[in-house]
Amino acid sequence: EVQLVESGGGLVQPGGSLRLSCAASGFTFNINDMHWVRQGTGKGLEWVAAIGSIGDTYYLDSVQGRFTISRENAENSLYLQMNNLRDGDTAVYYCAKGRRDSAAYGHYFDLWGRGILVTVSS
Amino acid sequence: EIVMTQSPATLSVSPGERATLSCRASQSVSSNLAWYQQKPGQPPRLLIHSASTRAPGIPGRFSGSGSGTEFTLTISSLQSEDFAVYYCQQHNNWPPIGPYTFGQGTRLEIK
Repeated sequence: EVQLVESGGGLVQPGGSLRLSCAASGFTFNINDMHWVRQGTGKGLEWVAAIGSIGDTYYLDSVQGRFTISRENAENSLYLQMNNLRDGDTAVYYCAKGRRDSAAYGHYFDLWGRGILVTVSS
Repeated sequence: EIVMTQSPATLSVSPGERATLSCRASQSVSSNLAWYQQKPGQPPRLLIHSASTRAPGIPGRFSGSGSGTEFTLTISSLQSEDFAVYYCQQHNNWPPIGPYTFGQGTRLEIK
């Protein structure tokens, strides 16, 4: 079955750290660009970070320097290390597979995990 | 950063009728625009990419149009399962030029 399954969320105090994982199955993980997208409670969608198939990484400005996206192709896994967490980082975090029609265009997201809740609160 | 603005925020339509949702980009995104559907407690589902290309398995009653800065998602005859929140996303500018950005969503509710 083609799917993405997130884990590792939970409650953390401001300034704390958390590591999210995403297990991929049913497709060739190592050739796909992968993303993290988040959604605050009752709010819209916000792209957070991306990692290319060759390991190039990109971040939303507000998480640059605090979050690190990585992948382990041998384990079909995607990660998001989140440090120095803030109240504003509270959200459901989705792992998503990026797809694009050519290298001239950016990604849309054709496969999403069910999401994992991260709550930053004292 | 490209700002995506959706209208209306909430749309009330009766089953069987047509729904028209709008998305505007703050600068041209060519035809690089995607639409997603999200139901409560579920992740978004890709409906349309590249402004008008339906994703696999998406019913023909969903259609997308537009280019540049103005886009439309049309649902031709609303079914009960179509009442949800819809988001647009530009896939024209991407990092490091700028982040992928989404609209704030349109809630489609039963009239």
